[in-house]
Amino acid sequence: KAGVTQTPRYLIKTRGQQVTLSCSPISGHRSVSWYQQTPGQGLQFLFEYFSETQRNKGNFPGRFSGRQFSNSRSEMNVSTLELGDSALYLCASSASGGGTDTQYFGPGTRLTVL
Amino acid sequence: TQLLEQSPQFLSIQEGENLTVYCNSSSVFSSLQWYRQEPGEGPVLLVTVVTGGEVKKLKRLTFQFGDARKDSSLHITAAQPGDTGLYLCAGRSSNTGKLIFGQGTTLQVKP
Repeated sequence: KAGVTQTPRYLIKTRGQQVTLSCSPISGHRSVSWYQQTPGQGLQFLFEYFSETQRNKGNFPGRFSGRQFSNSRSEMNVSTLELGDSALYLCASSASGGGTDTQYFGPGTRLTVL
Repeated sequence: TQLLEQSPQFLSIQEGENLTVYCNSSSVFSSLQWYRQEPGEGPVLLVTVVTGGEVKKLKRLTFQFGDARKDSSLHITAAQPGDTGLYLCAGRSSNTGKLIFGQGTTLQVKP
């Protein structure tokens, strides 16, 4: 089985721009979660999608949004980029997103905002 | 806000030494997971503990979930250079279902 894939792997943007990141989950997985990882804050939960519906949301501003398609692929969008948005964005998929369900992480997208 | 305090943040030891990483919170979690992350990759799940007092062993790694399900520890026996990496604990919130991560422990095992 192919693992979780994320594209692009690296991205450089300037302040004020917007960006879209993509995540393809493991085949058959219906839950996709997004996380932001920075040296200062660690790994922080952004949101989770299940069957095209946002099921859970972290404490991030509305500039961060996401969606999930019928094939479970997910995208996240960050508008009006700020320097502080520079981070590794990780996507994780699981079969159902349940309490003890195993999450499989992708390699991440490294976003640099200049 | 539920927080997971992980300690120590950094650990540099010699091959063959033992070490323990701690993960503490004032909140109760329905389950707790430990991950290992290597540079350029996403975290990989090592173990999930669910029951208070539970102990799980994975070769030289021993994981324990506190009786009150508020804390956990990871003990590595006879560390090897291949154990080098970032170790993360993550608790599943009983209230929200969200996975909350600790800050991580960067482990370096020198040969």
